[in-house]
Amino acid sequence: GAVVSQHPSRVICKSGTSVKIECRSLDFQATTMFWYRQFPKKSLMLMATSNEGSKATYEQGVEKDKFLINHASLTLSTLTVTSAHPEDSSFYICSASEHLLSSYNSPLHFGNGTRLTVT
Amino acid sequence: AQSVAQPEDQVNVAEGNPLTVKCTYSVSGNPYLFWYVQYPNRGLQFLLKYITGDNLVKGSYGFEAEFNKSQTSFHLKKPSALVSDSALYFCAVRDRVDRGSTLGRLYFGRGTQLTVWP
Repeated sequence: GAVVSQHPSRVICKSGTSVKIECRSLDFQATTMFWYRQFPKKSLMLMATSNEGSKATYEQGVEKDKFLINHASLTLSTLTVTSAHPEDSSFYICSASEHLLSSYNSPLHFGNGTRLTVT
Repeated sequence: AQSVAQPEDQVNVAEGNPLTVKCTYSVSGNPYLFWYVQYPNRGLQFLLKYITGDNLVKGSYGFEAEFNKSQTSFHLKKPSALVSDSALYFCAVRDRVDRGSTLGRLYFGRGTQLTVWP
């Protein structure tokens, strides 16, 4: 089955530094990738939608200059948390979709998430 | 607006008993419906989906869900719960209609924590 690899699984960084999270589709071409943030015991909050080769579409209230998303290839999207603060500590999950027009009825494939802790 | 409601934050059931995790949705037109499961510190795993056809959908690990259009519900069920089923369950809906910036987006419920005790 389709596999999405997310790296790193855990990261601890100091306040003010930047952290990059990678999301790779291993056996399919991901036209679209979604980035979610999950707070403890809460649902997933969609942060942004990225389409290969174009700028990401951010959800209302998500700072695009703070959460930089790059989707330069059909198998890789990255989320960079810039100038991280303790309130950015969270669980970040990516998901990927194959060529959209043919996959409306296909489930999204999710990475295993990244636990970010900012000290 | 598209939305999904999971009215229960927590469901507790004894092992061997049947379980139900509730989900209702609100979309324009006919939806694609999904159930996902999340184990601690992991991403979401796909369980099953409803696209069209039979209202009773069978999925992974013995789970099934029943699509009820008149009640706009898609409840997740399992005849006999296992302790290993304990996890966070998410219902999700996806538009069939191209709405521009929301193309392909999944709308998630807030999740239901299922606890199965021995």
